[in-house]
Amino acid sequence: DAGITQSPRHKVTETGTPVTLRCHQTENHRYMYWYRQDPGHGLRLIHYSYGVKDTDKGEVSDGYSVSRSKTEDFLLTLESATSSQTSVYFCAISESGGETQYFGPGTRLLVL
Amino acid sequence: AQKITQTQPGMFVQEKEAVTLDCTYDTSDPSYGLFWYKQPSSGEMIFLIYQGSYDQQNATEGRYSLNFQKARKSANLVISASQLGDSAMYFCAMRGDWGGYNKLIFGAGTRLAVHP
Repeated sequence: DAGITQSPRHKVTETGTPVTLRCHQTENHRYMYWYRQDPGHGLRLIHYSYGVKDTDKGEVSDGYSVSRSKTEDFLLTLESATSSQTSVYFCAISESGGETQYFGPGTRLLVL
Repeated sequence: AQKITQTQPGMFVQEKEAVTLDCTYDTSDPSYGLFWYKQPSSGEMIFLIYQGSYDQQNATEGRYSLNFQKARKSANLVISASQLGDSAMYFCAMRGDWGGYNKLIFGAGTRLAVHP
């Protein structure tokens, strides 16, 4: 199994508060991704990174920002959480952009 | 635009029988990849199988095989000899090209229930 961890695994927060989710990998893969999973939508890409300090937006990036200061860590920040951001968040990694993506265990976020 | 469609929200199969989960896709790129992932009730996403658009043979991985019909734009997952542990959500995904970068686009998933 790919060495990917996500923290926290569960979080409950209030509307308007900032939230940061962390993805950590031990595989030294160049690409890292953040997805959200909602019923009826499968997984949708929020942001991805193709190297340290290199990031780009996915299809549902509004309200989210990311940072990658080290190869192994990719942070997802909700600047001011809203109830519509209640979801399960998955991090994924791949060696290159076209290779298979391997997923972390997910983070369940509830915004009240 | 790239799109993945899984038309079966739920399926059930008897243990030890084979089952086919449908996936159709739409893309104008000549080079693409198709993936299947399994999500058990515990929540993790498990990679099962991959098919490249230029691969001549259908991909197989153990009890999983991918029935790739390029002209029909379908990439159905076949699970042979179903086991109780196969009960899960299954997602089809396509590697798409958005603005020059490869990203995965997922279908909405099919929930498979294996009955004893």
